[in-house]
Amino acid sequence: KNQVEQSPQSLIILEGKNCTLQCNYTVSPFSNLRWYKQDTGRGPVSLTIMTFSENTKSNGRYTATLDADTKQSSLHITASQLSDSASYICVVNSGGYNKLIFGAGTRLAVHP
Amino acid sequence: EPEVTQTPSHQVTQMGQEVILRCVPISNHLYFYWYRQILGQKVEFLVSFYNNEISEKSEIFDDQFSVERPDGSNFTLKIRSTKLEDSAMYFCASRSVQTDTLNTEAFFGQGTRLTVV
Repeated sequence: KNQVEQSPQSLIILEGKNCTLQCNYTVSPFSNLRWYKQDTGRGPVSLTIMTFSENTKSNGRYTATLDADTKQSSLHITASQLSDSASYICVVNSGGYNKLIFGAGTRLAVHP
Repeated sequence: EPEVTQTPSHQVTQMGQEVILRCVPISNHLYFYWYRQILGQKVEFLVSFYNNEISEKSEIFDDQFSVERPDGSNFTLKIRSTKLEDSAMYFCASRSVQTDTLNTEAFFGQGTRLTVV
């Protein structure tokens, strides 16, 4: 069964600290993996997208990694800011936009 | 920056009533989607729409649901007779036509929170 599992479920960090969010997936076939940021009451906003051949991709203070062999991805946030407080969702595309498999998300809270 | 807009932001309706959720996709986009997210659960695919017809739908999208693009700009989701379990956040998304269709980005609206009482 196609699944995307994320950990931790929630995380609290202090402003300025780094953190890493994890995503494990069992999805086949695999097209790409995306990380989205979802603010409370808002729609998901894309941070990164990686295909099978890409190991890492950065978007400002966000760096995503992908290990297609172990089917794991991580999202590293550097020098966190209060505005980083949101849910971060790992999404695997299994062959089309109707085949997006969403993780449950990690809820990140950045405290001053 | 162009964005997908959804109205209303929050809709409260009585069980059994019909609701219409509205979306204005980004103007040059041709693929449209509806997703929903029940509180505390994962985002789920409902339906995709292209060239004025449904291209794919999930098991959730039963006869109570319908979509249409009535005027070339709006994209609507209608729930004919709402049930308590339809309470969720409904997201519209759109994307443009590209040759690399699997890796083009879809843009999500801010969502409509539907509460069925």
